[in-house]
Amino acid sequence: DQQVKQNSPSLSVQEGRISILNCDYTNSMFDYFLWYKKYPAEGPTFLISISSIKDKNEDGRFTVFLNKSAKHLSLHIVPSQPGDSAVYFCAASARNTGFQKLVFGTGTRLLVSP
Amino acid sequence: EAQVTQNPRYLITVTGKKLTVTCSQNMNHEYMSWYRQDPGLGLRQIYYSMNVEVTDKGDVPEGYKVSRKEKRNFPLILESPSPNQTSLYFCASRGQPANTGELFFGEGSRLTVL
Repeated sequence: DQQVKQNSPSLSVQEGRISILNCDYTNSMFDYFLWYKKYPAEGPTFLISISSIKDKNEDGRFTVFLNKSAKHLSLHIVPSQPGDSAVYFCAASARNTGFQKLVFGTGTRLLVSP
Repeated sequence: EAQVTQNPRYLITVTGKKLTVTCSQNMNHEYMSWYRQDPGLGLRQIYYSMNVEVTDKGDVPEGYKVSRKEKRNFPLILESPSPNQTSLYFCASRGQPANTGELFFGEGSRLTVL
């Protein structure tokens, strides 16, 4: 049972345009959400997070939006750059597990072309 | 340099031959965790440890053991590896507070069980 879902395995975007990566979750107990980026032959690296008490968090070119009623979050990258080409994982955790269990989605491969 | 170090990075072994993947972090983090990454399944948590001598099962613990005798080390033990344990393994660590969620990942260990 996939509690965190990324339904788009891949996304292609031109440089300078907006990239929108989507993530859905089923467990209403999740209250902290994160995005990780992964390059080939490297471990994932933390990108941005959002608590369930917020609906938006911004960090430079990266913005995460959370829609709790729809159990949906999205990552916006504006403007997209070729160096953003990577696999992006959405992840979620819950206060009732002490945030000890981080559940990841299946990932979306983003390709930004010049 | 702050890092999580895994060894070996690549390993080919045969069914039933016990192996250990080591993980060490130099950030004095309390929390450490092991994940496996498989195509179409994303990252799945195997075991985690909140501190020395405190370990707990993640979502896919079958066939694995861990130990946390020292704060910096969290080895993953496959007592009798099977082909379905062929995967890419990541060790990760995190300091406090827990809800920042910012896991620091190692570079990964690609294991093939024949």
